[in-house]
Amino acid sequence: DQQVKQNSPSLSVQEGRISILNCDYTNSMFDYFLWYKKYPAEGPTFLISISSIKDKNEDGRFTVFLNKSAKHLSLHIVPSQPGDSAVYFCAASASNAGNMLTFGGGTRLMVKP
Amino acid sequence: DTGVSQDPRHKITKRGQNVTFRCDPISEHNRLYWYRQTLGQGPEFLTYFQNEAQLEKSRLLSDRFSAERPKGSFSTLEIQRTEQGDSAMYLCASSFLTGEQYFGPGTRLTVT
Repeated sequence: DQQVKQNSPSLSVQEGRISILNCDYTNSMFDYFLWYKKYPAEGPTFLISISSIKDKNEDGRFTVFLNKSAKHLSLHIVPSQPGDSAVYFCAASASNAGNMLTFGGGTRLMVKP
Repeated sequence: DTGVSQDPRHKITKRGQNVTFRCDPISEHNRLYWYRQTLGQGPEFLTYFQNEAQLEKSRLLSDRFSAERPKGSFSTLEIQRTEQGDSAMYLCASSFLTGEQYFGPGTRLTVT
């Protein structure tokens, strides 16, 4: 049973345009959500997070939106740059469960120059 | 601080051998987590420590897997009697009691 799902395995966008990556979850106990970026042969790099008490968090070109009623979050990257090309993982945790992360399967983003 | 480090970065072993991986977390972090990632999947949680106490280990994949963090600093993950299905990337992460986890570069295990 996948508690965190990223339904798009890949996404291709033009440089300068917006990239929108989506993530759905099923566990109502999740109260903290994170996005990680991963290059081949490296560990995941933390990008941005959001607590369940918020519906939006912004950091530079990256914005995460949380819709608790729909159990859906999204990552917006504006403007997209070729260096953003990587695999993006959505992750969720529950503070009453040691904050262990449950990851989605990832979305490969390709930003074309 | 240079972040989370893991050693070795790559390990090739024959089936049936034991392997041990080391993780050095960010020094101020209380919590240390181990994950496993197989090709095309997201990382999968294995176990975690708060200081030297192992607070969750039911997700370790079998009794061949064990982890320690004896002094609340570095941690080791051991796999006994390796099998080909153990081939994966083993990731370590650390964090404060709350907040984001920072990952190391991982140890890629290949069992032949």
